[in-house]
Amino acid sequence: AQTVTQSQPEMSVQEAETVTLSCTYDTSESDYYLFWYKQPPSRQMILVIRQEAYKQQNATENRFSVNFQKAAKSFSLKISDSQLGDAAMYFCAMDSNYQLIWGAGTKLIIKP
Amino acid sequence: DGGITQSPKYLFRKEGQNVTLSCEQNLNHDAMYWYRQDPGQGLRLIYYSQIVNDFQKGDIAEGYSVSREKKESFPLTVTSAQKNPTAFYLCASSMRLVDGYTFGSGTRLTVV
Repeated sequence: AQTVTQSQPEMSVQEAETVTLSCTYDTSESDYYLFWYKQPPSRQMILVIRQEAYKQQNATENRFSVNFQKAAKSFSLKISDSQLGDAAMYFCAMDSNYQLIWGAGTKLIIKP
Repeated sequence: DGGITQSPKYLFRKEGQNVTLSCEQNLNHDAMYWYRQDPGQGLRLIYYSQIVNDFQKGDIAEGYSVSREKKESFPLTVTSAQKNPTAFYLCASSMRLVDGYTFGSGTRLTVV
């Protein structure tokens, strides 16, 4: 069975610093997609970044980037220059046939 | 603008009552999903539909029912058989799973 694991229930970072959120997954597929979603206190789920497994190059969206290690089945999210608005739950997900498989989430706290 | 609308935002249910949560999208997406989110937890799939007049059970379908009579609409009924319905419910849609989901803003259901 395909699984997604986020081992950090909570992380904190000082404003303007960099933080990395971890995600590991398990799949027997060779081609798949990985996602990071953000859920701020409003609870609206927002797509942060997406990575195609067959692409070697790590995806980047402004201050958000991923470190994708296919062999290790690792997909971490790096947030640079952390801002107060980055405070949220972050969920890692992977596509699997008919649905996305979700991790349990990491709560990110930004210290001013 | 295209998007997904969930209503109501807050819903209160008495013991033994059925209630229906609305989910409407104007994105022309084929697939629609219902998820349940409990405090501090990830997303659990209740039901999904990949095409009109067809839907499938997810991981926690017991006590819930859905219909998909129109492409735009995917209502979720929480029946009296659902013993612990208090939760946050998210509806999502997708054209291609590899593009990820678009989410509604959610409905908070509370049993009183």
